[in-house]
Amino acid sequence: DGGITQSPKYLFRKEGQNVTLSCEQNLNHDAMYWYRQDPGQGLRLIYYSQIVNDFQKGDIAEGYSVSREKKESFPLTVTSAQKNPTAFYLCASSIGLAGSAYNEQFFGPGTRLTVL
Amino acid sequence: KNQVEQSPQSLIILEGKNCTLQCNYTVSPFSNLRWYKQDTGRGPVSLTIMTFSENTKSNGRYTATLDADTKQSSLHITASQLSDSASYICVVSDSSASKIIFGSGTRLSIRP
Repeated sequence: DGGITQSPKYLFRKEGQNVTLSCEQNLNHDAMYWYRQDPGQGLRLIYYSQIVNDFQKGDIAEGYSVSREKKESFPLTVTSAQKNPTAFYLCASSIGLAGSAYNEQFFGPGTRLTVL
Repeated sequence: KNQVEQSPQSLIILEGKNCTLQCNYTVSPFSNLRWYKQDTGRGPVSLTIMTFSENTKSNGRYTATLDADTKQSSLHITASQLSDSASYICVVSDSSASKIIFGSGTRLSIRP
């Protein structure tokens, strides 16, 4: 899992509540990402950030929000507007934009969110 | 539409046997292809990366191949071990480096 930590490992939420997932990296990477993983599907991009104080929506950003106030941190908030939030959430980072062959994404251990 | 398809969805083999996992993609223009290993409940870890000009790359008992003409890649695992039980994910990037497409993975189980 490299130098990326995610917390908590398991999270339970009642319907209608917002929750925030933590992601911290000590790799000095500029880019950070949030993905959602559901059974039988590929990872889907929620949000990404290339530099501090800047972030972009991914393919499934509705119902989620992020901030990037520090280079090391990229927290994800799952809001009550997200209709089906139960999933495995993965945070990743890379030196630069990850699509390049030279910028490998390093993933955290993930947070499993369950809505009760 | 950019897609990455993996097969089989799941595979069970006996310890010590070899296996090959497949990845077909339609991502264009192509930049690079990575294979990741993901243990249950953990984040993916990169095994290999190949660019357009590479057709084979090895990492220990893992050997990846790439045919950019047919847009196919395979991951061959030799002399499987119990620790190889995991999901293997194929990831393809386009040449603008702005699109990364993840396959849904192959779930490999190694039986003693």
